[in-house]
Amino acid sequence: QVQLVQSGAEVKKPGASVKVSCQASGYSFISFGVSWVRQAPGQGLEWMGWITPYNGNTKYAQTFQGRVTMTTDTSTSTAYMELRSLRSDDTAVYYCARGELKFPVWGQGTLVTVSS
Amino acid sequence: DIQMTQSPSSLSASVGDRVTITCQASQDINTYLNWYQQKPGKAPRLLISDVSRLETGVPSRFSGSRSGTDFIFTISSLQPDDFAIYYCQQYDTDPPTFGPGTKVDV
Repeated sequence: QVQLVQSGAEVKKPGASVKVSCQASGYSFISFGVSWVRQAPGQGLEWMGWITPYNGNTKYAQTFQGRVTMTTDTSTSTAYMELRSLRSDDTAVYYCARGELKFPVWGQGTLVTVSS
Repeated sequence: DIQMTQSPSSLSASVGDRVTITCQASQDINTYLNWYQQKPGKAPRLLISDVSRLETGVPSRFSGSRSGTDFIFTISSLQPDDFAIYYCQQYDTDPPTFGPGTKVDV
């Protein structure tokens, strides 16, 4: 079945970077974009950006420009999201989702905790 | 960015109740409006896309419609499995944005 499996929880110090992975299975990875959406504790959903695995094109939300990089490895059907210069308010669950505008398939989420 | 609002922010209901949630956008979004359900500790689930299209496997008690500038999400007869937070999401204009959510509980 169509599935996105994300890497495990991370604890980082302020100023560090985190890289979350999202491995796809059950569909043609290069045929669909992958988006990243985050959710701070008790808060709503915030779209971070997307990447098109076919050609590597990316689109980032203005909020994260300069701090986020999304990449893919088509040989392993894996998408990655790296967020740099972490702050305490980056503590959140980070989700990958299939699609660029509409998200019918989601990963299970990765909790990233930023704490000194 | 387009701002999405939802009302109410929370509601209490009982099994069998009809539940209605309204979503509004800060500008015209045509019919590019989706609805998601999220349960505690779980990823969101897409229920309805493009205002009223039910995703595969979604029970028919869920429906979506539009009335003027209001987008309406309805559960015709609330079931125990439906207690969750519901989000609307527009994708007419980049970036896609979500509403703040409506919590449906007992």
